[in-house]
Amino acid sequence: QQQVKQSPQSLIVQKGGISIINCAYENTAFDYFPWYQQFPGKGPALLIAIRPDVSEKKEGRFTISFNKSAKQFSLHIMDSQPGDSATYFCAATETGANSKLTFGKGITLSVRP
Amino acid sequence: DVKVTQSSRYLVKRTGEKVFLECVQDMDHENMFWYRQDPGLGLRLIYFSYDVKMKEKGDIPEGYSVSREKKERFSLILESASTNQTSMYLCASSLGGAVGDTEAFFGQGTRLTVV
Repeated sequence: QQQVKQSPQSLIVQKGGISIINCAYENTAFDYFPWYQQFPGKGPALLIAIRPDVSEKKEGRFTISFNKSAKQFSLHIMDSQPGDSATYFCAATETGANSKLTFGKGITLSVRP
Repeated sequence: DVKVTQSSRYLVKRTGEKVFLECVQDMDHENMFWYRQDPGLGLRLIYFSYDVKMKEKGDIPEGYSVSREKKERFSLILESASTNQTSMYLCASSLGGAVGDTEAFFGQGTRLTVV
């Protein structure tokens, strides 16, 4: 059973455009939803995260939108740049002493110059 | 900065060999994790540990074991390597404890090829 589902599987965007990646989860106990960014040859690194007490969080060009009733959250990258080309993973967990992240399958974003 | 160091970037091993993948973190984190990353399958949790000498199975523990004798070190062991264990292996750590801070810090990965 896949608890965290990402879509689309890949995305190509022109420079300056908006990249949108969606994620759906099943476990209603999840209360922490991060996005991780991975460049080739590197491990994933935390990009931005949200908790369900807010519907949106923005950090620079990156915004997470969260819809608790639909059990969905999405990552929006405004003014996409070639340097944003990477693999993006959504994840979710129930926070606590022994929490562990459940990741989606990842999406490869390519931003064309 | 938190640093998670994996002992090898690339490994080539023969079928049937016992393989050790080592991971060290330098931030006194409680939790440590081993994931494998395969195209189209994302990151799948193999094992995790929330304290020294403690371990729990993740989603795909078959064919693997782990060891955590010291807080900073978490080892993944392939008892008898098989070709279907050819993959990228990623170690991660997080603060854990009663606060439950969940940001995970990843190493750069070990690309293991079993021939």
